[in-house]
Amino acid sequence: RKEVEQDPGPFNVPEGATVAFNCTYSNSASQSFFWYRQDCRKEPKLLMSVYSSGNEDGRFTAQLNRASQYISLLIRDSKLSDSATYLCVVNYYGDTGRRALTFGSGTRLQVQP
Amino acid sequence: DVKVTQSSRYLVKRTGEKVFLECVQDMDHENMFWYRQDPGLGLRLIYFSYDVKMKEKGDIPEGYSVSREKKERFSLILESASTNQTSMYLCASSPMWGGTSLSNQPQHFGDGTRLSIL
Repeated sequence: RKEVEQDPGPFNVPEGATVAFNCTYSNSASQSFFWYRQDCRKEPKLLMSVYSSGNEDGRFTAQLNRASQYISLLIRDSKLSDSATYLCVVNYYGDTGRRALTFGSGTRLQVQP
Repeated sequence: DVKVTQSSRYLVKRTGEKVFLECVQDMDHENMFWYRQDPGLGLRLIYFSYDVKMKEKGDIPEGYSVSREKKERFSLILESASTNQTSMYLCASSPMWGGTSLSNQPQHFGDGTRLSIL
């Protein structure tokens, strides 16, 4: 079982639509959560961190449900420029207890005119 | 702005060759990482380093080794390249995580090296 699971999509939505992505993680001890965005043939870039109480950044809202071990990302009023792959990211405990990050495979979003 | 630079954008090597991928960051970050990214599998952590000369295995270390002789440079080594190591390789860096506090320290990625093993 993967440590971080996402629906690969693609999600095809019209401009202006609201779209939500979910992600589940297996390590209940995980403490840090992020959403990254990756454009085609580009490197991943941080979109937003995810806080326990939920947080919003403009049209983007992230939620964390620790009991169910899932994270969500809501995008309101989708723009063409939102078309990308969205990666769910959770921290990871290596053998010595030091933390790295585990990435989901990503959910592809295509916003259409 | 953080700059993470990978030495090559595209690289073609032959089976059995020893391959070096270099990564340099200019923000004095303690942590550096090597990932590979494959369709349907996403980003998988190969190795990471939290200090000079320190390293830790990620999810898929087999067939790879790393070197961190200087803080700003983290090298990935394919000891004897095989065709199943054809992939996109991404280097990343991040500042040190806080002690026991919740630390949201994102990683900054390089542009990636698309490596083909023939």
